[in-house]
Amino acid sequence: DTEVTQTPKHLVMGMTNKKSLKCEQHMGHRAMYWYKQKAKKPPELMFVYSYEKLSINESVPSRFSPECPNSSLLNLHLHALQPEDSALYLCASSQVRGGGKTQYFGPGTRLLVL
Amino acid sequence: AQKITQTQPGMFVQEKEAVTLDCTYDTSDPSYGLFWYKQPSSGEMIFLIYQGSYDQQNATEGRYSLNFQKARKSANLVISASQLGDSAMYFCAMPRNAGGTSYGKLTFGQGTILTVHP
Repeated sequence: DTEVTQTPKHLVMGMTNKKSLKCEQHMGHRAMYWYKQKAKKPPELMFVYSYEKLSINESVPSRFSPECPNSSLLNLHLHALQPEDSALYLCASSQVRGGGKTQYFGPGTRLLVL
Repeated sequence: AQKITQTQPGMFVQEKEAVTLDCTYDTSDPSYGLFWYKQPSSGEMIFLIYQGSYDQQNATEGRYSLNFQKARKSANLVISASQLGDSAMYFCAMPRNAGGTSYGKLTFGQGTILTVHP
């Protein structure tokens, strides 16, 4: 099973709202990722968690706050976003050690900030 | 620094024909890997195929195969017997960590939009 699930599929929020994106995987992967993707562009890495600890933050604004409550779950908390934050947010997971480092992606959350 | 180049912004192919999507790369790592992902309009990035730099044979997965030419630093994706469902954006990507064996950052190409005509 190579399934990564994400909720919600779509989200519309105002600039003063607080919302959260959720990601879940049950492949036993200990690395989890958040990406942001604008239309017709490649994904841009935001955060990487390894063994539930934040290992990479690509200088993401503090209005995005990641959280990894356990090895299967990854959240992205959103607060005071800007219209330019509207994008597709993709979650991915992979092994940390061993030969298989393939990142498996979820279906994404399409976020619109008004 | 690594770089992935996909020179074809868009490609068209007739259903049931084969198509090649180009990917060239630049890396100073002696050991590395290359991934291809498919992204339909629904948004999900679907892993298709992986090639390691020391793999003796070109990778194949069903209708997908990699034409890996190390000396030319190219890893082109070949899709045989195209289907309407193959219409999507395709990304070539390389792990950014040294040796290509660590988890973490992926360097993506700009992508190629493939349209399959009936």
